[in-house]
Amino acid sequence: EVKLVESGGGLVQPGRSLKLSCAASGFNFNDYWMGWVRQAPGKGLEWIGEINKDSSTINYTPSLKDKFTISRDNAQNTLYLQMSKLGSEDTAIYYCARATIAAPWFAYWGQGTLVTVSS
Amino acid sequence: DIQMTQSPASLSASLGETVTIQCRASEDIYSGLAWYQQKPGKSPQLLIYGASSLQDGVPSRFSGSGSGTQYSLKISSMQTEDEGVYFCQQGLKYPLTFGSGTKLEIK
Repeated sequence: EVKLVESGGGLVQPGRSLKLSCAASGFNFNDYWMGWVRQAPGKGLEWIGEINKDSSTINYTPSLKDKFTISRDNAQNTLYLQMSKLGSEDTAIYYCARATIAAPWFAYWGQGTLVTVSS
Repeated sequence: DIQMTQSPASLSASLGETVTIQCRASEDIYSGLAWYQQKPGKSPQLLIYGASSLQDGVPSRFSGSGSGTQYSLKISSMQTEDEGVYFCQQGLKYPLTFGSGTKLEIK
């Protein structure tokens, strides 16, 4: 069974940094692109970015490119999202998701982790 | 960026009714479109990819169609469990972008 479990969310002060993790299991992690999507409270979905199998290609949504960094550790089957200079606009549920092979659709999603940016 | 516009923003349907949700892209996306369903408090679920291919395990009452800039998701016979928010997503160009969502409720 494919399983994605995010962790690392919580309350963080404006201007601070936070690193999220996504532990993957039930599939060969090395074979798939992985991505992050967020959802502000009561709002729609926003694609943050995604990383290819060997970390040689990482794509970001332009507005977050200078604040967020996606990485992965294939030995640990773990995806990461490093977030910096957080503001209230970054308050959201953060989902990690597994893309389908050779296509940019997300067939599997984690349960999400809530990040709240507030003083 | 490719903008995705969904309509309507919300709708209600009776059990057994056929429901259609529209998604328009700001440029031709050559069938590079997916549909997701999200129930309250849950993660999104992939329903349709490549504009018309049904994801494994998704009931056959769901179908997708369209081409160019215009796409639609059809539910052929509304069921209680189909309540939720539906999002379209284009996969042709980075950054990937989602529509704003359509909230579907039982009438």
